[in-house]
Amino acid sequence: NAGVMQNPRHLVRRRGQEARLRCSPMKGHSHVYWYRQLPEEGLKFMVYLQKENIIDESGMPKERFSAEFPKEGPSILRIQQVVRGDSAAYFCASSQGRVTPYNEQFFGPGTRLTVL
Amino acid sequence: EDKVVQSPLSLVVHEGDTVTLNCSYEVTNFRSLLWYKQEKKAPTFLFMLTSSGIEKKSGRLSSILDKKELFSILNITATQTGDSAVYLCAVEAPTPFGNEKLTFGTGTRLTIIP
Repeated sequence: NAGVMQNPRHLVRRRGQEARLRCSPMKGHSHVYWYRQLPEEGLKFMVYLQKENIIDESGMPKERFSAEFPKEGPSILRIQQVVRGDSAAYFCASSQGRVTPYNEQFFGPGTRLTVL
Repeated sequence: EDKVVQSPLSLVVHEGDTVTLNCSYEVTNFRSLLWYKQEKKAPTFLFMLTSSGIEKKSGRLSSILDKKELFSILNITATQTGDSAVYLCAVEAPTPFGNEKLTFGTGTRLTIIP
């Protein structure tokens, strides 16, 4: 039973390029969460998606960042025109949805983005 | 805005020592508090706490929540080098969108010296 998968594990981009991060949730999970972890900081919530719907994007920067979770295929976090400040580890988590008593989120191994 | 503060930021102890990690929080509509262990990859779930005063235990790890004083502690007894990791505390709260959101602290980096 594969866990949450993310790829690539490491991504290097030059300033101004686009970064595309992929997340395949655990089998049976239809809820996906993206988090960003800056160096020496905790994980910060970015966005929560269900299949074909963005439910909560309150943590997403207003510009350059977008996320999708299509009916088929992985969830994608896209960062356009990357800047050095985007360098961070991006974690994806998935869950089954609201299952009492707790909707446990299972985390992927993360994508470490480095912007040169 | 929900807030989670962990202390200390880092801790170095010798193998066999006992450590206590602290987590305090300010959150609207608290639902639960969670502890995770993060080595060089994905955070792995340790405990979920919802009720005050009830200790959760897993081997040498234990945790307890105080909802009146808004804090939790994570204890690790007889530490081993494999306990070296960053320990993250998070609080879960509902959002206006119908989902629950996790707010994380910055973590405590624990290093165990053989």
